[in-house]
Amino acid sequence: EAGVAQSPRYKIIEKRQSVAFWCNPISGHATLYWYQQILGQGPKLLIQFQNNGVVDDSQLPKDRFSAERLKGVDSTLKIQPAKLEDSAVYLCASSLVPSGGSSYNEQFFGPGTRLTVL
Amino acid sequence: AQSVSQHNHHVILSEAASLELGCNYSYGGTVNLFWYVQYPGQHLQLLLKYFSGDPLVKGIKGFEAEFIKSKFSFNLRKPSVQWSDTAEYFCAVNGGSGYSTLTFGKGTMLLVSP
Repeated sequence: EAGVAQSPRYKIIEKRQSVAFWCNPISGHATLYWYQQILGQGPKLLIQFQNNGVVDDSQLPKDRFSAERLKGVDSTLKIQPAKLEDSAVYLCASSLVPSGGSSYNEQFFGPGTRLTVL
Repeated sequence: AQSVSQHNHHVILSEAASLELGCNYSYGGTVNLFWYVQYPGQHLQLLLKYFSGDPLVKGIKGFEAEFIKSKFSFNLRKPSVQWSDTAEYFCAVNGGSGYSTLTFGKGTMLLVSP
């Protein structure tokens, strides 16, 4: 089974530039997550989609970050304009929709995109 | 809001030593608890999970964790570590929101010397 794919793997930009990351989840996974992992910290959820709808974007800095999942499959995360503090690894994860009374299904993570903002 | 605290940021052990990594969470309701591991150069992957039932859960590669509700803890253990256990370990909690949201701790970097 193919895993979660992300690209690019590395990106270096200057502050105030724009950048976009792409994620292709595991086939059949309706739920997709974007996390930000700053060095020395655990992943922090930025946004969660179920199919092409947003279910949680409470920690997404909406003045500069945006994300979309137009067809309920691939997703892109954009930063415009980037700040120095956006330097981090951006992780994408996917899971099946919880069912049978459970609130959770295992999340499978991609390799991440390491962003450096100079 | 949920939060997760991992007690140690860095742990260094010799092979065959016993391991215990602490994890405490703050959430008053029903929780699902997880340990994830990230080996050097690899993806985050699930090590073990607790949803309900027996509070002692066993995961892959000989790891186990014990859920102690009264202490809001979910410590990870392994009786004898190997060099290949060198990795970063993350404790995470899902507070039953219905949307599988995970809150992670800051992680513990384990270095096992041969």
